[in-house]
Amino acid sequence: GQSLEQPSEVTAVEGAIVQINCTYQTSGFYGLSWYQQHDGGAPTFLSYNALDGLEETGRFSSFLSRSDSYGYLLLQELQMKDSASYFCAVSSINTNAGKSTFGDGTTLTVKP
Amino acid sequence: DVKVTQSSRYLVKRTGEKVFLECVQDMDHENMFWYRQDPGLGLRLIYFSYDVKMKEKGDIPEGYSVSREKKERFSLILESASTNQTSMYLCASSFGDRYYEQYFGPGTRLTVT
Repeated sequence: GQSLEQPSEVTAVEGAIVQINCTYQTSGFYGLSWYQQHDGGAPTFLSYNALDGLEETGRFSSFLSRSDSYGYLLLQELQMKDSASYFCAVSSINTNAGKSTFGDGTTLTVKP
Repeated sequence: DVKVTQSSRYLVKRTGEKVFLECVQDMDHENMFWYRQDPGLGLRLIYFSYDVKMKEKGDIPEGYSVSREKKERFSLILESASTNQTSMYLCASSFGDRYYEQYFGPGTRLTVT
C-alpha cells in the first residue's frame, strides 16, 4: 500500500520562506502532487512532479527525489492568504486506472 | 474552468437510512473519485471510476457503493448509514491519465444521527 508523512503544523511570518516536506512509500509510483485547502474550502491543485528536480510556479516550487522517496513544497514571500492546509499526494497506477493517495496534511499558519 | 458540483452542501440523515450523494462534472473527464475527509486523517479514497460503468475500490470502500451510469455523473451510496460515516465527502474528477491533477467539488458535510 501507500503511506505518506508530512508535518502536521508549520508556522512562519509574512514575507518569509517555508518548506513543507513529504516522504512516501508506495508501489507503482507515478508522481507527487501538492494541493492547497483553505478552511471550509475544497482542495485545489498546486503542482506535480513526475521526475526528479524542481518545478516552479510563481511563488510556489515543488521538488522531488525519487531515489529518496522525498519531496517538498517551497512557498516564498509568504502572504497571509497562504494560511491553509497543504497536502502531498502520491499518484500510482494499476492495470486499469490511476489514483492518488493523500497525506494527512500540513496546516500552515502565516503570522504578521 | 472545470466545475464539479455536489448535490448537497449539508445533509443530516438517521442511522439505517439509505443515502445518495451525487456529483456532476462538466469537463468531460474520464476519471471521478469519492473521498471522505476527517480531521487529522487527510483525504481517504473510497471509490473511483475511470469510465462509465467502471469502478475500482479505494482504500476504505466498506459500507459504500458507487454508480456511474453517465460520464459526467458519479454517485456515492451509503446502503445503511451509520454514525461512523459522519464526515465531509468530497468528489473529484480528472482528465485522461492526469490522475495527479484532480478538481474537487465543494463537499457534502454528512451528519448521521
